[in-house]
Amino acid sequence: DTAVSQTPKYLVTQMGNDKSIKCEQNLGHDTMYWYKQDSKKFLKIMFSYNNKELIINETVPNRFSPKSPDKAHLNLHINSLELGDSAVYFCASSPHGAGGQETQYFGPGTRLLVL
Amino acid sequence: AQSVTQLDSHVSVSEGTPVLLRCNYSSSYSPSLFWYVQHPNKGLQLLLKYTSAATLVKGINGFEAEFKKSETSFHLTKPSAHMSDAAEYFCVVSERNYGQNFVFGPGTRLSVLP
Repeated sequence: DTAVSQTPKYLVTQMGNDKSIKCEQNLGHDTMYWYKQDSKKFLKIMFSYNNKELIINETVPNRFSPKSPDKAHLNLHINSLELGDSAVYFCASSPHGAGGQETQYFGPGTRLLVL
Repeated sequence: AQSVTQLDSHVSVSEGTPVLLRCNYSSSYSPSLFWYVQHPNKGLQLLLKYTSAATLVKGINGFEAEFKKSETSFHLTKPSAHMSDAAEYFCVVSERNYGQNFVFGPGTRLSVLP
């Protein structure tokens, strides 16, 4: 039933580890996004994919690598985790990703804590 | 480039009194504007959006917002606050370009007192 789902919901790991967060949407949307929400609740886009093609790639360390095996999935892999990566990561999707008028539908978030 | 200012980081109201959450935006082109709500430890839910049709937009749960181009504002209002409205509210601007880059405001935390 869940439109945009993320796994895991919580992730606690040590500095230097590599981890992945998975996102799936069952809305049939063409475009998916990753956002980072910091400890002050500020939300910033990281990446956007349209039909498996990278569209938006904000200034994000190259330790972060998104992967879209198909248009329903957008995974986020993080290498060599740092303390500053601790945040809530949200996945979102929108029908087409063009025109700027579309609603984005958000997943429940993945709370990452790096120790 | 677009940007969003939410003038109050925290608003506190009593249950049954009106709510006003302020949002001002900056955009080089015709913007689309959204309000999202985030309840504690939850994802974001769309309350309402403006996309160049009617300037007064009605959303879910009794919320509405008015787009005022001359004031570059998109304030969110509700006539009567309910305890369940306590949450974080985000104003978002998007320009009509490919890729739909959402730019979020810093958020306003709404507290509702009994």
